[in-house]
Amino acid sequence: EIVLTQSPATLSLSPGEGATLSCRASHSIANFLAWYQQKLGQAPRLLIYDVSKRATGVPARFSGSGSETDFTLTISSLEPEDFAVYYCQQRSRWPITFGQGTRLEIK
Amino acid sequence: EVQLVESGGGLVQPGGSLRLSCAASGFTFNDYAMHWVRQAPGKGLEWVAGVSWNSNTIDYADSVKGRFSVSRDNAKKSLYLHLSSLRPEDTALYYCAKDRGAYFQNFDYWGQGTLVTVSA
Repeated sequence: EIVLTQSPATLSLSPGEGATLSCRASHSIANFLAWYQQKLGQAPRLLIYDVSKRATGVPARFSGSGSETDFTLTISSLEPEDFAVYYCQQRSRWPITFGQGTRLEIK
Repeated sequence: EVQLVESGGGLVQPGGSLRLSCAASGFTFNDYAMHWVRQAPGKGLEWVAGVSWNSNTIDYADSVKGRFSVSRDNAKKSLYLHLSSLRPEDTALYYCAKDRGAYFQNFDYWGQGTLVTVSA
């Protein structure tokens, strides 16, 4: 099983600041990595798939990068609605796995 | 508009069974793989099971293999999950999720979930 480790566990920032979230895979997953946002009490929302492709309707301030085992989700300038939990997910090898999440909170 | 509506959750005793359903609308159901993903209270996301567009490919997480069974009815635009030999650690919100493609890729639409509680 591919283990995805996200860091940091919690990130405290202010609106307008930039955010960098990391996801490290235990084995190479090529470019088969996605990112999701989950707000309190809501279902997850697909943000990014295949490392850097934005899903429908996702603002341009969200971007993804990386390859093989190291991946990054960058939010260029935080809006109030961006404070949530973010998960990475791989589809390179069965079973599909998620990271444990990074909580992005308002400082 | 894509809509996924889960139903069938509830309180069940350890060792019991339950059947979850997911009614889909707003897209061509038989073009896409479908999945169940669960989230234990206060915890992260865990993929549970997936079925390809034509049901030829079905996979399960190790934690549920042999106890859960996923199926779909393309004519009824519905996804199902039969849960048996339930354990307290199966307590979670179970989400139905649409895949981005015909096989297993990513989850681009989610329902609001149905809660399964396993307790004596």
